[in-house]
Amino acid sequence: GAVVSQHPSRVICKSGTSVKIECRSLDFQATTMFWYRQFPKQSLMLMATSNEGSKATYEQGVEKDKFLINHASLTLSTLTVTSAHPEDSSFYICSARDAATDTQYFGPGTRLTVL
Amino acid sequence: QKEVEQNSGPLSVPEGAIASLNCTYSDRGSQSFFWYRQYSGKSPELIMSIYSNGDKEDGRFTAQLNKASQYVSLLIRDSQPSDSATYLCAVNTGGGADGLTFGKGTHLIIQP
Repeated sequence: GAVVSQHPSRVICKSGTSVKIECRSLDFQATTMFWYRQFPKQSLMLMATSNEGSKATYEQGVEKDKFLINHASLTLSTLTVTSAHPEDSSFYICSARDAATDTQYFGPGTRLTVL
Repeated sequence: QKEVEQNSGPLSVPEGAIASLNCTYSDRGSQSFFWYRQYSGKSPELIMSIYSNGDKEDGRFTAQLNKASQYVSLLIRDSQPSDSATYLCAVNTGGGADGLTFGKGTHLIIQP
């Protein structure tokens, strides 16, 4: 299957700082990438849809000014958590859509801990 | 509101038996259906995708889709301890252009 990478895999930061997470599709071009968040013992919740060259579409309840998404190329999308607070601590997972197979492949996830 | 329902379990199955996982969805416009496996602390791994009514087999896995009943299932034959994980049912209504709606997952335990 297709490979999606995420970096970093784990980050610990102080409250009030910003954290950037990168998501890359390694062997296919992804015009659409997605960002999900998963709290302990809960399912994945879609945060936003990232389209290459255009603004991201955010799900209801997700603050676009807090979670900044940039999809500057067909293989890279970034999520920046601005002014992070402890309640933002979660497992952030990106996925990339392979248009050839209409399938989403997930990155390995980034575990964010805000102190 | 798109909803995907799964029994959270745990579902306990003896090694070598068939594990049956079920999922229902609310949006009749759903077009694509996926089963993902997620180990604790890891991201989901695609197991099966299914798009049309009927059965689709891949090795020990069989996905079944019934759009009239808005029901999708996953059968795992010859269950192995390594199959122990949380299985997530995911549904897409926009032909792939939308993000997936996930169920809460079924925790499967294969007993040696």
